[in-house]
Amino acid sequence: GQQLNQSPQSMFIQEGEDVSMNCTSSSIFNTWLWYKQDPGEGPVLLIALYKAGELTSNGRLTAQFGITRKDSFLNISASIPSDVGIYFCASGGATNKLIFGTGTLLAVQP
Amino acid sequence: DGGITQSPKYLFRKEGQNVTLSCEQNLNHDAMYWYRQDPGQGLRLIYYSQIVNDFQKGDIAEGYSVSREKKESFPLTVTSAQKNPTAFYLCASRIDRESGPQHFGDGTRLSIL
Repeated sequence: GQQLNQSPQSMFIQEGEDVSMNCTSSSIFNTWLWYKQDPGEGPVLLIALYKAGELTSNGRLTAQFGITRKDSFLNISASIPSDVGIYFCASGGATNKLIFGTGTLLAVQP
Repeated sequence: DGGITQSPKYLFRKEGQNVTLSCEQNLNHDAMYWYRQDPGQGLRLIYYSQIVNDFQKGDIAEGYSVSREKKESFPLTVTSAQKNPTAFYLCASRIDRESGPQHFGDGTRLSIL
């Protein structure tokens, strides 16, 4: 089946550093979504992208929908301790189902 | 406040028992979804429903069943046929089948006694 390759698998950074993670696919998608999940909670939507080349910001977060429609990245600037969690990319095509990446675990040391 | 409510937060099942996980949404969303999440892994789709009285199997439907008798409710039953049911179960909804992102509840953690 279709898969999303998300990297890195985990990141351990110092507070204040910038973070970058990305997702790639062998298939073309119409939608890229980025979620954050805290332990024991459901994923929360961070950014939604619907157009190739689209660059969208949400506070310290910036995400882009790759021009080839096969990839997306998420950047977090000036990380803070509450950024800790698992970040998932998700993507959808012609059907209404989403495919999820395997997640990036982010740890931020104060 | 509008949102998706999953209950209970924690659930324990004896082997051989069926258990039902509740998912209710007051967002007036047409589409609802059930996912399973195992440690260190992404979300895998169990079942989804695009409209009342209709649902389709996802990627890992074996051992599970659902119903969609009301727009706001999409309960998931984990049957005794599911041999490895211990996992974190997430319910999501979406405004309709073709647009908008999925929004998630806070999950139910199911464990086997």
